[in-house]
Order: sequence, then structure tokens, then C-alpha cells
Amino acid sequence: DAGVIQSPRHEVTEMGQEVTLRCKPISGHNSLFWYRQTMMRGLELLIYFNNNVPIDDSGMPEDRFSAKMPNASFSTLKIQPSEPRDSAVYFCASSSPSGVVTHVQETQYFGPGTRLLVL
Amino acid sequence: DQQVKQNSPSLSVQEGRISILNCDYTNSMFDYFLWYKKYPAEGPTFLISISSIKDKNEDGRFTVFLNKSAKHLSLHIVPSQPGDSAVYFCAAINSGGSNYKLTFGKGTLLTVNP
Repeated sequence: DAGVIQSPRHEVTEMGQEVTLRCKPISGHNSLFWYRQTMMRGLELLIYFNNNVPIDDSGMPEDRFSAKMPNASFSTLKIQPSEPRDSAVYFCASSSPSGVVTHVQETQYFGPGTRLLVL
Repeated sequence: DQQVKQNSPSLSVQEGRISILNCDYTNSMFDYFLWYKKYPAEGPTFLISISSIKDKNEDGRFTVFLNKSAKHLSLHIVPSQPGDSAVYFCAAINSGGSNYKLTFGKGTLLTVNP
């Protein structure tokens, strides 16, 4: 199993540009999570999908952020326009079947992350 | 406001000795706790968990202790090995609420010296 795949691994862009981060969850997992890690706030949940449907997007910081999951094997997180304060490591995680973390076998599996730097 | 706090940003121990990583929480609704381990340039990986109905859970060299009255948990690694050097995140969940939502601490960098 390849695990959760994220691309790109690193992204450097200029303020105002659009940034798209991509995630391929583990095959068979139907819950997907996007997290952001910063020094100030640590790891924060941005959005949670279950069966390709956004269930909780309360962590999405602003309207500049949007996420989609067009099918069970692909998700994107888009920032438009990007700002320097968006610089962070963005992680995607997946779990099965329902994303309920209190079942150890449904623990979330994280991808390697995308390190974003907005200049 | 940080609901899960790891007050030690770093910890250094000698190989073979015990490593103790601490975590405090403020939300009394949290009833399930997890530890994740993270190496550089990788995502966090699940290590061990504990339900609030227990006060101890052991898995090999790793033991997690929970003190509900103090809202405190700790991860013990015995004996520590150089390969244990990583950032350790404590996480908590309210299984009666958003049972998918992990609230993380900021992490503790553990360095195990040979």
C-alpha cells in the first residue's frame, strides 16, 4: 500500500497567486481530512470529507480556502489568492470506514505533507 | 485557546533510559486520547491511544498513563532508543461530539542520544 500521497511536496509561490494542493487517500478509505501545521497554532483540522461529501469545514480559515473531493481517490485544497500568512505545512489524512477515531482500526493515516511558502 | 497543551517543546534523554512526555488538556469532554509520532519530512503516524475509562495502556516499550482528575496524560518510552527521536504529538477527541475531530498539542521534540 502506497499510503496517502500528496503533491507537490514543496511549493513556493508569490502572494496573490493561486495554489492547489493535491491528495490521494489510501484505497478503500472513505474519510479524508485536510490539516494545517504552523508554529503558532500547531496542527489544525481544516476540513473533513466522508464519502466525498464535506462534513465539517469549520476549520477553513477564510473564503480564500476551498476544498473539493470529486471522487473517492482524489481531493484538492485550493488557496486563491494566497497570502504570506498561509505559509505552513498542509497534511492530508485518510481513514476508514467512517472516520470515527475512537476505533483504533480507523485511526487517521497522514500523508507526508506539502510545505507551502508564500512570498 | 489551546485545549491540548504540551508544555515541553523538547526533551533529551540517553539511550536506554526512560523518556516521559507530558500532555495536559482543558476540555473535560475529551474522552479518548492518542499519541502520534512524526519524523522530519513525514506525516504523523499513530503510536498508541487510551480511552478515558482506563488509566493505563501499554504496547511494547510504550505506555500511556491517564489522570482524568488532573486532566493529564503522559507517554513513557522504556528503554529509549535513538530511533525514537522524533516529534511526539498528543491528541484528544470528544467521542460524543465530533468523533472524527482530533485536537492536537503543539508537539514535543524527543532526542535520544546514543
